[in-house]
Amino acid sequence: DGGITQSPKYLFRKEGQNVTLSCEQNLNHDAMYWYRQDPGQGLRLIYYSQIVNDFQKGDIAEGYSVSREKKESFPLTVTSAQKNPTAFYLCASSPSGLAGVGGAKNIQYFGAGTRLSVL
Amino acid sequence: DQQVKQNSPSLSVQEGRISILNCDYTNSMFDYFLWYKKYPAEGPTFLISISSIKDKNEDGRFTVFLNKSAKHLSLHIVPSQPGDSAVYFCAAIGGSQGNLIFGKGTKLSVKP
Repeated sequence: DGGITQSPKYLFRKEGQNVTLSCEQNLNHDAMYWYRQDPGQGLRLIYYSQIVNDFQKGDIAEGYSVSREKKESFPLTVTSAQKNPTAFYLCASSPSGLAGVGGAKNIQYFGAGTRLSVL
Repeated sequence: DQQVKQNSPSLSVQEGRISILNCDYTNSMFDYFLWYKKYPAEGPTFLISISSIKDKNEDGRFTVFLNKSAKHLSLHIVPSQPGDSAVYFCAAIGGSQGNLIFGKGTKLSVKP
């Protein structure tokens, strides 16, 4: 069954702790993304990766880190530097993340999300 | 500076009637537009899209209209059903931008 899997569904972070959110896709997509959604807010881009071993900061990258060592995987670490980590985190992938390749190839497909709370 | 704007945070309609969700954009380089549907505590689901070379795209009960001169697009749902109650996000892509630019969403409530 092709898709995007995020785990865990719920995660709790203690003060000063780093936590890692998992995102795996078996769609053979080149590009992957991490978003954050706060109550009543839209989707804010944290980091994105257009290809393996490369990633770029989004609009709100401070306090987060990522890696893209494998095409299928794009884990997000919420570091202790992120002072307000409580949010719903969404991972997405698309066939391409490049501009000008044709709109349909940039359609993003989302995972079910991880809700992170602070203890 | 928001490039994609959904000015109505919420919309309530009666079951069986038409729902019209609106979206405005500022970047004339956008050439592909999408609508996503999102239920609480779930990821957004791709609903329908339209290329800038078209002015209408239809898929079942869902139709997207694009007015390039006004930089405006709308999603029509006819007839609306209670299961359509969700947050709808408008998104755009184009120019030098390889990522989707999302609006803040409109929460649709369809009353039985």
